[in-house]
Amino acid sequence: QSALTQPASVSGSPGQSITISCTGTSSDVGDYNYVSWYQQHPDKAPKLMIYDVSNRPSGVSNRFSGSKSGNTASLTISGLQAEDEADYYCSSFSSSNTRMFGGGTKLTVL
Amino acid sequence: EVQLVESGGGLVQPGGSLKLSCAASGFTFSGSAVHWVRQASGKGLEWVGRIGRKANRYATTYGESVKGRFIISRDDSKNTAYLQMNSLVTEDTAVYYCQGYCSGGSCFPPDYDGVDVWGQGTTVTVSS
Repeated sequence: QSALTQPASVSGSPGQSITISCTGTSSDVGDYNYVSWYQQHPDKAPKLMIYDVSNRPSGVSNRFSGSKSGNTASLTISGLQAEDEADYYCSSFSSSNTRMFGGGTKLTVL
Repeated sequence: EVQLVESGGGLVQPGGSLKLSCAASGFTFSGSAVHWVRQASGKGLEWVGRIGRKANRYATTYGESVKGRFIISRDDSKNTAYLQMNSLVTEDTAVYYCQGYCSGGSCFPPDYDGVDVWGQGTTVTVSS
């Protein structure tokens, strides 16, 4: 049960857009539309930003969007703001009726 | 207020047991699935397991690293979920979070702007 693969870090300047990838397999990301993305600030609980690949909870900014192609899901943040600097984790349902997380991506806003 | 509050964390010796609680308020707890997620210091999130609703016969599933050692249960009459941890090893040292989730956010009040809720976490330290 390997974790999903995310880049360790990404960075961008305020106002720019960035994309974080999340690569799984045909037994998880590729086979189910149950990919979620979480934002976590230091010493805080995770916050759900995207669920079911591309759905956004009503309290989340529309600068956050999600998509999926094959075995890879992506989180895009547009109009980067300083407060977006955090760790981001993807999560997917898998064929073994379990759930897994990616290793996490540290977003730095330059 | 919609919230989850974990409790029961602490210091335990290797081989010991500990039971965590996750108390819910402000939403229809019985309508939500409950996940447990842990995070070792400086590390990423790890899914521990989940328990479904009564309609799903309270089905449970677990991550490989805890299967056979941890048991998740719930008491909807008390709006509380539990994580029984047995045969603890040092690698189980982490902050443990519970997460309540329901499809489309149907178990939350209309003015709640999310589809899930997380607790603040409780720390478990396994050490001799």
